[in-house]
Amino acid sequence: GNSVTQMEGPVTLSEEAFLTINCTYTATGYPSLFWYVQYPGEGLQLLLKATKADDKGSNKGFEATYRKETTSFHLEKGSVQVSDSAVYFCALTRVGNQFYFGTGTSLTVIP
Amino acid sequence: DAGVIQSPRHEVTEMGQEVTLRCKPISGHDYLFWYRQTMMRGLELLIYFNNNVPIDDSGMPEDRFSAKMPNASFSTLKIQPSEPRDSAVYFCASSLRGSGSAGELFFGEGSRLTVL
Repeated sequence: GNSVTQMEGPVTLSEEAFLTINCTYTATGYPSLFWYVQYPGEGLQLLLKATKADDKGSNKGFEATYRKETTSFHLEKGSVQVSDSAVYFCALTRVGNQFYFGTGTSLTVIP
Repeated sequence: DAGVIQSPRHEVTEMGQEVTLRCKPISGHDYLFWYRQTMMRGLELLIYFNNNVPIDDSGMPEDRFSAKMPNASFSTLKIQPSEPRDSAVYFCASSLRGSGSAGELFFGEGSRLTVL
């Protein structure tokens, strides 16, 4: 079956610290992988995506690389800001299929 | 461009009342998803449609929940009768997937339901 496992939270970091949120997946075939972000009181919005092995998605200083050999799609940012405080969801989908989301990781960045 | 539009944004009702949540997907999108989000259970897929046809409703909690998509620009999620445990934020999301495209999901801002 298809599933996503992501790092348990909550995560608390100081401003300018390095961020890693781990995500691993199980899927048949060749899924597309996503990171979504949810700010308080809002819906989820796409942060970045990768559609095939070795692709790197990037946006707003965040990066994630599609690693087929380790079935992973870890989210990283070199220097977090207070405005990055949010809940981050890893997700996968395949053509014609539903989206499978991880449980979400809450990030709080303190000044 | 207008995104996914949901209404109402907030709904407070009493147990036993009927609740109808509405969604207008992004024009041209061929998939529509209804999710429920709670602190305890996280983000749960309730049902999704492809070209207005329900594809998978296995996530619908029970017979009190029903969803329809009468046309490509409108969907409803109805709860009748509502119960306090239905209190949650309900999200609608749409996607353009066509054939051979995994697409991405675009979420509405959600409908926060409180059942007293």
